[in-house]
Amino acid sequence: SYVVTQPPSVSVAPGQTATIICGGDDIRGKSVHWYQQKPGQAPVLVLHDDNVRPSGIPERFSGSNSGNTASLTISGVEAGDEADYYCQVWDSRSDLVVFGGGTKLTVL
Amino acid sequence: EVQLVESGGGLVKPGGSLRLSCAASGFTLSLYTMTWVRQAPGKGLEWVSSISSTGSHIYYGDSLKGRFTISRDNAKNSLYLQMDSLRVEDMGVYYCVREGAPNFLRPNYFDFWGQGAPVTVSS
Repeated sequence: SYVVTQPPSVSVAPGQTATIICGGDDIRGKSVHWYQQKPGQAPVLVLHDDNVRPSGIPERFSGSNSGNTASLTISGVEAGDEADYYCQVWDSRSDLVVFGGGTKLTVL
Repeated sequence: EVQLVESGGGLVKPGGSLRLSCAASGFTLSLYTMTWVRQAPGKGLEWVSSISSTGSHIYYGDSLKGRFTISRDNAKNSLYLQMDSLRVEDMGVYYCVREGAPNFLRPNYFDFWGQGAPVTVSS
């Protein structure tokens, strides 16, 4: 079945830009969705369909998807952005929802 | 306000059964595909199962078929997950999740999550 791969961790200083990648075979052909999860809380949708922000999500969150890599970019990172981030796709070949393993974003 | 409230979690012995429920409010449940997602302690998110708005289309994660059964009762604004033959590896928090757009026959993305129901499988 389809596999999406994320780096286990990303670190960034406050005010800088964090990029979290989600790799998959020809992932550009799929819609990629991103979730943020803080400790002890349920996940929150931060981007859907590659780069669409739900209501209430700051403009600092953006996304892209091309080739074999999708990306979540957080500009002007704040301490409150520290969380686990998960990418997710729907694999139409196998009729399965697939989550990446998650990336822990640390704000230094 | 959209609310999803899970119940029915708890401690069960290996091989036992549990039935999770999710009470939905603040939106018209009958328009949305609904999903269960779980998270083992200290691990990532794992999709469990989804059911279309009328129940006509049902999907399961690869490792779960035959042991878990998803169902819904739109008249009662409720989603269910019957879990049988539970294993230690089924332990975790189970989230009830709403599809991001109405009238989708299959899961796409998830815009509202409940707070989760903890499931412990231990002898």
